Amino acid sequence: EAQVTQNPRYLITVTGKKLTVTCSQNMNHEYMSWYRQDPGLGLRQIYYSMNVEVTDKGDVPEGYKVSRKEKRNFPLILESPSPNQTSLYFCASSPRRSNEKLFFGSGTQLSVL
Amino acid sequence: GQNIDQPTEMTATEGAIVQINCTYQTSGFNGLFWYQQHAGEAPTFLSYNVLDGLEEKGRFSSFLSRSKGYSYLLLKELQMKDSASYLCSAKWGRGDYKLSFGAGTTVTVRA
Repeated sequence: EAQVTQNPRYLITVTGKKLTVTCSQNMNHEYMSWYRQDPGLGLRQIYYSMNVEVTDKGDVPEGYKVSRKEKRNFPLILESPSPNQTSLYFCASSPRRSNEKLFFGSGTQLSVL
Repeated sequence: GQNIDQPTEMTATEGAIVQINCTYQTSGFNGLFWYQQHAGEAPTFLSYNVLDGLEEKGRFSSFLSRSKGYSYLLLKELQMKDSASYLCSAKWGRGDYKLSFGAGTTVTVRA
């Protein structure tokens, strides 16, 4: 089944403890992206990647890192999480053609205490 | 990101029609998407418009006016399962494009 797999689904952590949210797609998509969703603000792009070893900042990259060493994987890293990073995170992928829709993972609800 | 505006909430009766408007900045615009998101779930694709006009897909239609920076999503014959948030999303530029999303419109369908 074609899908974007995101883990974990829920995560509670404490300030300053490094964490990684994994994202993997099995559709051979070139484009992958991370979003955070907060009430009243909608989806905001954190980072995106047009292909392997190519990543770019989105609208809210501060406090986050990503890597794209393989086409299928695009992990999101929080080196030192803070409470303002408590949010719902979505990974998404697309074939990168101009009219192609995004396929979203099931989301990760992160709480930083 | 670029600014995208859409209403926060709308309520309608089962079987009725609802129109969700979306406005965006026109400079460099290169396509508009609508997604549906049920509570606690991931967004799913509904429609894509890049040229002016109306695209119809069953009970859902989407319209675009590039010159006015305006789109709408039309939901006909509303059903209870259509209660969800509807996200307007636009992209600008070519090649390495960025996507921006509106805050979403929560549609509540009442019996």
